[in-house]
Amino acid sequence: DGGITQSPKYLFRKEGQNVTLSCEQNLNHDAMYWYRQDPGQGLRLIYYSQIVNDFQKGDIAEGYSVSREKKESFPLTVTSAQKNPTAFYLCASRVGTDHNEQFFGPGTRLTVL
Amino acid sequence: DAKTTQPPSMDCAEGRAANLPCNHSTISGNEYVYWYRQIHSQGPQYIIHGLKNNETNEMASLIITEDRKSSTLILPHATLRDTAVYYCIVRVAGTGGFKTIFGAGTRLFVKA
Repeated sequence: DGGITQSPKYLFRKEGQNVTLSCEQNLNHDAMYWYRQDPGQGLRLIYYSQIVNDFQKGDIAEGYSVSREKKESFPLTVTSAQKNPTAFYLCASRVGTDHNEQFFGPGTRLTVL
Repeated sequence: DAKTTQPPSMDCAEGRAANLPCNHSTISGNEYVYWYRQIHSQGPQYIIHGLKNNETNEMASLIITEDRKSSTLILPHATLRDTAVYYCIVRVAGTGGFKTIFGAGTRLFVKA
């Protein structure tokens, strides 16, 4: 089945540690996105990538980093510089350039203790 | 991107039509209206989109006013599983640098 996978679903880390969230898609989509969602709030864009080896900052990129070495993969690193990292993180991909239909993964809930 | 305004919450009886409004008075001529929904603790799900004509698919219908300043998403026979947050988004299609901004949306409660 085609889709987007994120792992793990729940992640716990100690304050001051970097952590990398996985996002993989087998939909052959060019564009991929990372969003952050806080309780009761909408989604905010962290980073996005339209093609391999290229990515752009979203609205809240500070304290995060990404890479796009392969079309299928867009990992997100939450660094120790992110002041409030505890949140629900969602990865998405988009069909081509003519559509805004984004497919979302199941999300990773990160808790920093 | 044009800003959208949605009511924070709505109730609907199971089996009845759920009509979710969205205002986008600053929409420009080449911007589409998209609807997504998010069931608790899951990723958002695409529902439907349209430019100026009404659209229907297996999930819902989208009614866009003639001046395009508002739209309504219709779930014709709401079920308990339709309880979710519904996001209305306005975006230009066919251009690079897509950034879809999801606001707070409308929390729809479908009650038995």
